[in-house]
Amino acid sequence: EAGVTQFPSHSVIEKGQTVTLRCDPISGHDNLYWYRRVMGKEIKFLLHFVKESKQDESGMPNNRFLAERTGGTYSTLKVQPAELEDSGVYFCASSQDYIQGRHFGEGSWLTVV
Amino acid sequence: AQKVTQAQTEISVVEKEDVTLDCVYETRDTTYYLFWYKQPPSGELVFLIRRNSFDEQNEISGRYSWNFQKSTSSFNFTITASQVVDSAVYFCALSEAGNSGNTPLVFGKGTRLSVIA
Repeated sequence: EAGVTQFPSHSVIEKGQTVTLRCDPISGHDNLYWYRRVMGKEIKFLLHFVKESKQDESGMPNNRFLAERTGGTYSTLKVQPAELEDSGVYFCASSQDYIQGRHFGEGSWLTVV
Repeated sequence: AQKVTQAQTEISVVEKEDVTLDCVYETRDTTYYLFWYKQPPSGELVFLIRRNSFDEQNEISGRYSWNFQKSTSSFNFTITASQVVDSAVYFCALSEAGNSGNTPLVFGKGTRLSVIA
């Protein structure tokens, strides 16, 4: 089966610009998670979708971040406007059941200059 | 509250040496899951293992082994006969069994392992 795929793999944007990251979960996985690791710190949870609904968005840092999952398939994470401290790697994960953690994407590396 | 501590920030070993990466966790839940991941230089997160809190049996997979000790809240990872390809950042993580599914993963800060030829 195809794994979790993320796009773009790398992105360099200027402060103030907008970037949209995309995640395609494994087919049939209702649960989709976003995590990020910024500036060499630990990986932190951002939010969790169950199908198209946001189950938990307690980790979203501020209102510059907007996540969507229309139709319950792929998800997008938009950062608008991007700030320097948003630089890091954004990981997406999916699972068929609630015991998540096995399937992660390769990450989207974001550099804000 | 959940917490994962990886006290070793960086470790360097010479190829063929054994190395143990430490992980200590904190949780108030009796049902939880522990994970180890490898992040090689290419950047992806590679799942290595998931253990639930009711299974304290140690596990071995090739050169990798894991020692789960509930008494000390530790879930240590040992690589036997290390190889250069083992060089990566290794993350330990914890997830509790919540009322509506497992809680988000809480990660340690990672241990950077360098294996020198």
